[in-house]
Amino acid sequence: EPEVTQTPSHQVTQMGQEVILRCVPISNHLYFYWYRQILGQKVEFLVSFYNNEISEKSEIFDDQFSVERPDGSNFTLKIRSTKLEDSAMYFCASRGVSPLHFGNGTRLTVT
Amino acid sequence: GDSVTQMEGPVTLSEEAFLTINCTYTATGYPSLFWYVQYPGEGLQLLLKATKADDKGSNKGFEATYRKETTSFHLEKGSVQVSDSAVYFCALTAPFTGGGNKLTFGTGTQLKVEL
Repeated sequence: EPEVTQTPSHQVTQMGQEVILRCVPISNHLYFYWYRQILGQKVEFLVSFYNNEISEKSEIFDDQFSVERPDGSNFTLKIRSTKLEDSAMYFCASRGVSPLHFGNGTRLTVT
Repeated sequence: GDSVTQMEGPVTLSEEAFLTINCTYTATGYPSLFWYVQYPGEGLQLLLKATKADDKGSNKGFEATYRKETTSFHLEKGSVQVSDSAVYFCALTAPFTGGGNKLTFGTGTQLKVEL
């Protein structure tokens, strides 16, 4: 069964650094999402992306965050200047007509 | 806004015990309802779903019925196994959001099944 793949599985970065989290959605899917889960807390919606533009974003998704689909297969989340509170598991998801399929996540640790 | 409320965990059961994880929701209109499961070290997997009132979603022995009158979608399983140990998330997508049907999650309920 096709799956959403995310890389890296774990990234450690220093506060203030830029990070790019990468995702390869399922190939025939059209809607793409990023969610995050701070340790011990609920999974929170960050942003949805369709037809090469953001279709919805949450309050969390401020100017420090951006998303791109640079080459028709990858879907990236960039955090320009990381803060300690950005430490979380970041999940990419995609869907066609079906419900969301999630990747295994990237654990981001900001020190 | 839309929200999902789940019972607090962890829930600890013996193998073959009956499981209920409560979930209630608040949403405008008629949302679709989902249960996702997260096994240790893994991502979220769709367990089951229901898209309209009185629908019953089922998978791997788990069931949940969409109850509009009580705005609930409780997860049940008649006989749990150690391999069911995971975190279970109740979620909804609200209609007509215009944003590609984002999911709103509950806080998750950890289930531990012991021999």
